[in-house]
Amino acid sequence: DVKVTQSSRYLVKRTGEKVFLECVQDMDHENMFWYRQDPGLGLRLIYFSYDVKMKEKGDIPEGYSVSREKKERFSLILESASTNQTSMYLCASRSTSGINSYNEQFFGPGTRLTVL
Amino acid sequence: DQQVKQNSPSLSVQEGRISILNCDYTNSMFDYFLWYKKYPAEGPTFLISISSIKDKNEDGRFTVFLNKSAKHLSLHIVPSQPGDSAVYFCAAVMKTSYDKVIFGPGTSLSVIP
Repeated sequence: DVKVTQSSRYLVKRTGEKVFLECVQDMDHENMFWYRQDPGLGLRLIYFSYDVKMKEKGDIPEGYSVSREKKERFSLILESASTNQTSMYLCASRSTSGINSYNEQFFGPGTRLTVL
Repeated sequence: DQQVKQNSPSLSVQEGRISILNCDYTNSMFDYFLWYKKYPAEGPTFLISISSIKDKNEDGRFTVFLNKSAKHLSLHIVPSQPGDSAVYFCAAVMKTSYDKVIFGPGTSLSVIP
């Protein structure tokens, strides 16, 4: 059974704090993603990684950075948390096997982050 | 500017009836369209997809219809069950960039027993 886990379900931080969100997948997937979900906006891609130590900016990377030192782990870092980063954060992973076909993304349960 | 739109934030349907969730898109370059389903406190799960070269794809109670000329797709659930109550996200992706999935804002479906 495929599994993507996220380190925390709920997190409360103060403005200016450095925040780490961790994601681990056990499916040996090459690609990993970080999204944030906000009402009325759906899921927006922050960063993704197509391999270890490789990363690419998504649509809303400002204020975030990522780290992928091992294939199974992808971390999202908020260098200095701000109130507008209060959101639900979702991690996902995806296999790249197969040619010319779309492979679904598998999502973790999400981390609800509140920045005060 | 949203490339994938779901204009109905919510929908209520009686158990046993048909649920129709609609989605519109603006980019004619999309190659695949996807539906994800999300329960509260869980991550989204993939439900069904359709290639842009097809106009229908069916999987059990779920059917997705694609009208390329109208840039419109819809998800039909027949018959609707209370367990189908969830938020449904329409999404689209291009072959040149499978990693960049564009999600719509979601429609919250309530199936009333």
